[in-house]
Amino acid sequence: DQQVKQNSPSLSVQEGRISILNCDYTNSMFDYFLWYKKYPAEGPTFLISISSIKDKNEDGRFTVFLNKSAKHLSLHIVPSQPGDSAVYFCAAFPYGGGTSYGKLTFGQGTILTVHP
Amino acid sequence: NAGVTQTPKFQVLKTGQSMTLQCAQDMNHNSMYWYRQDPGMGLRLIYYSASEGTTDKGEVPNGYNVSRLNKREFSLRLESAAPSQTSVYFCASSEKTHRGAFFGQGTRLTVV
Repeated sequence: DQQVKQNSPSLSVQEGRISILNCDYTNSMFDYFLWYKKYPAEGPTFLISISSIKDKNEDGRFTVFLNKSAKHLSLHIVPSQPGDSAVYFCAAFPYGGGTSYGKLTFGQGTILTVHP
Repeated sequence: NAGVTQTPKFQVLKTGQSMTLQCAQDMNHNSMYWYRQDPGMGLRLIYYSASEGTTDKGEVPNGYNVSRLNKREFSLRLESAAPSQTSVYFCASSEKTHRGAFFGQGTRLTVV
């Protein structure tokens, strides 16, 4: 039972264009969502997060949108750069109740390739 | 500032052998985690330790044991390795922030 799903295994975009990575979740208890970026032979690194009380969070070229009614979030990268080529994971956890903040449920990942 | 350090980086085991993966963090975090990453599966939580002296099972704990040695160190043990445990293992730590977990570089384990 995959509670967090990234249905696109890969995405290819041209440098300078927008990259949109999508993620769906099924567990209504999730109320905090994160995106991680992973390069080969490295561990995932935090990119951006969003609380369920918001519908948008922006950090430089990266924006995450959350649609709670659809249980859907997306990561927009504008403009895309070749250095953005990596695997992107979305992750979720229930924020309240003293949960360990790294106890995350991950999606399968999307491989983003940005062509020069 | 090393963050989360895992050893070894690579390991090949024969079926039935045992080994311990070591993890240490220098960020004074209370919580630590072990995840495994398999193709098409994302990262899945094996065990975690919310604080020193406590450990709990995650999504895929079978075949593993853990020890929270002190606040810095959290080890993962495979008592009798199986080919199904071939994976990349990540240790992580966290504090109560919106940044979730900080991950080590991973251990690539192959069981033949």
